[in-house]
Amino acid sequence: DTEVTQTPKHLVMGMTNKKSLKCEQHMGHRAMYWYKQKAKKPPELMFVYSYEKLSINESVPSRFSPECPNSSLLNLHLHALQPEDSALYLCASSQGTSAYNEQFFGPGTRLTVL
Amino acid sequence: AQSVTQLDSHVSVSEGTPVLLRCNYSSSYSPSLFWYVQHPNKGLQLLLKYTSAATLVKGINGFEAEFKKSETSFHLTKPSAHMSDAAEYFCVVILKYNNNDMRFGAGTRLTVKP
Repeated sequence: DTEVTQTPKHLVMGMTNKKSLKCEQHMGHRAMYWYKQKAKKPPELMFVYSYEKLSINESVPSRFSPECPNSSLLNLHLHALQPEDSALYLCASSQGTSAYNEQFFGPGTRLTVL
Repeated sequence: AQSVTQLDSHVSVSEGTPVLLRCNYSSSYSPSLFWYVQHPNKGLQLLLKYTSAATLVKGINGFEAEFKKSETSFHLTKPSAHMSDAAEYFCVVILKYNNNDMRFGAGTRLTVKP
């Protein structure tokens, strides 16, 4: 299995809602990532988990809360988002966090905040 | 500091003609470099990577790239474009000492005309 899966594919939420994005991989990778991608822009790194511990937080607002329950799963909990948070949220995984390890990306969750 | 610059935001070629997508990097260290492709409404797929082995790197779907340290370049080429190559292409750099923190170029949109 060489896939990274993300659910849901699409999500529409209001500014007062609480929702979660889910990412899963079964490749035995020990590093997992969340990226945010606005339209016609490159992905921007949000969080990095290495061996289920948060190792990088790129100054992301606290309304985004990551969680890594185990080595195969990565969640992104959303609360009190703003319309400007609407974007494609991409999850990725890699064997480790060495610069030699390429990242495998999921198809993304397209989030719309009303 | 390190960064990556994709010199063309949009490249248009005819089917069957060569493709050249340009990428220059700046890094104080020996970098790892990647090319990823993103088809509309999809995640990112790795085309090829350079991690200080052979300077001419062959990737999937007939793409290749050459690492030229003297020119700080890592241009992506393909001898003959196919309609299915139409997509967004990202050049990515990772500092070797960093925590697999990928920095993306702004992207190049490739259009292939029949």
